[in-house]
Amino acid sequence: DAGVTQSPTHLIKTRGQQVTLRCSPISGHKSVSWYQQVLGQGPQFIFQYYEKEERGRGNFPDRFSARQFPNYSSELNVNALLLGDSALYLCASSSPGARGYEQYFGPGTRLTVT
Amino acid sequence: ELKVEQNPLFLSMQEGKNYTIYCNYSTTSDRLYWYRQDPGKSLESLFVLLSNGAVKQEGRLMASLDTKARLSTLHITAAVHDLSATYFCAVDLYYGGSQGNLIFGKGTKLSVKP
Repeated sequence: DAGVTQSPTHLIKTRGQQVTLRCSPISGHKSVSWYQQVLGQGPQFIFQYYEKEERGRGNFPDRFSARQFPNYSSELNVNALLLGDSALYLCASSSPGARGYEQYFGPGTRLTVT
Repeated sequence: ELKVEQNPLFLSMQEGKNYTIYCNYSTTSDRLYWYRQDPGKSLESLFVLLSNGAVKQEGRLMASLDTKARLSTLHITAAVHDLSATYFCAVDLYYGGSQGNLIFGKGTKLSVKP
């Protein structure tokens, strides 16, 4: 089975622009979470969606938004980009089971804001 | 606010030696995760610890969880160069019912030298 996929792999944007990142979960997984990982730090939780509803939101400004589609794929949008938004954005999918909500991470999208 | 602290943040080991990475967290949680990250790569799941006293082993790595002490350890036995990576522990944001929102430590960068 395919793992979590993310697109694009790399992205370069200019300050003030908007960006959309995409994530496809593992088949059968209904929960998608987004994380931001700045270089040298641990990932920080941004959003979680389950069954197309927002179930959790981290401490990020309103410039960050997300949604989940009927096929459980998800998009993360960031408006008015700042230099500090440069990071690796990770998507994780999960499904309840014996291992709880273990999250399987995608390869990430590396965003560079210049 | 849930905080997750790892120590040490940097660890340089010789091959064949043993060492332990510690992960302390500030509030109750019944799920603790360990991940490995290679440079420029995504997160690879190592262990999911679901209850007090849980111990899991895979190869040269062994993880344990003490929920009363709010402490997890990752023990490395007879280190080899292939174990060089950054190791993260992560805790669910909510106790008693994971919503898939993980709070990560800052990571321990492990370097194993011959």
